[in-house]
Amino acid sequence: RKEVEQDPGPFNVPEGATVAFNCTYSNSASQSFFWYRQDCRKEPKLLMSVYSSGNEDGRFTAQLNRASQYISLLIRDSKLSDSATYLCVVNRDNNDMRFGAGTRLTVKP
Amino acid sequence: DAGVIQSPRHEVTEMGQEVTLRCKPISGHDYLFWYRQTMMRGLELLIYFNNNVPIDDSGMPEDRFSAKMPNASFSTLKIQPSEPRDSAVYFCASSTGYGNQPQHFGDGTRLSIL
Repeated sequence: RKEVEQDPGPFNVPEGATVAFNCTYSNSASQSFFWYRQDCRKEPKLLMSVYSSGNEDGRFTAQLNRASQYISLLIRDSKLSDSATYLCVVNRDNNDMRFGAGTRLTVKP
Repeated sequence: DAGVIQSPRHEVTEMGQEVTLRCKPISGHDYLFWYRQTMMRGLELLIYFNNNVPIDDSGMPEDRFSAKMPNASFSTLKIQPSEPRDSAVYFCASSTGYGNQPQHFGDGTRLSIL
């Protein structure tokens, strides 16, 4: 079993749709969590950190459930520019970060 | 501010040749990471350094791969001899290491071994 597992995708949604990605992790000692975005042929870039109480950044909302070892990312009012691969990242400790395989999102006009 | 700088951006070479990838982390970052990304295996951590010291190299695929960090502003990843299955995008990333801060990635080196 992989340490970080994500929805397989791909997700193809129309502009304006709401889309949610899920991620589970196996190491209960994991300490911090992130969502990264990776555009085609580009490097991964930090989208947002995920806090225990949940957090929002504009159209993006991240949730963490430590008991279920589950992370989610919600994108509201999706834009064409949101098309990318979204990577769930779990930091075990000492900056030992584990990346999920990513979920590809395509937003269509 | 300058981000993580990698070179070269692209490398095409023949099987058996030595390949050297270079990375300059963000100034002040104590942690440096080398990753490999392929379609089949996704993003894999190869090795990471803390204060120039290798901490975990369990992701290095085999003895053909080696990495060094002679000082706080420079690291290399070498493959000798290279094989076609080494073809991938190699990313370098750095972080401050404080409070589980996120990592910042370089643009990557796209490596093709013929």
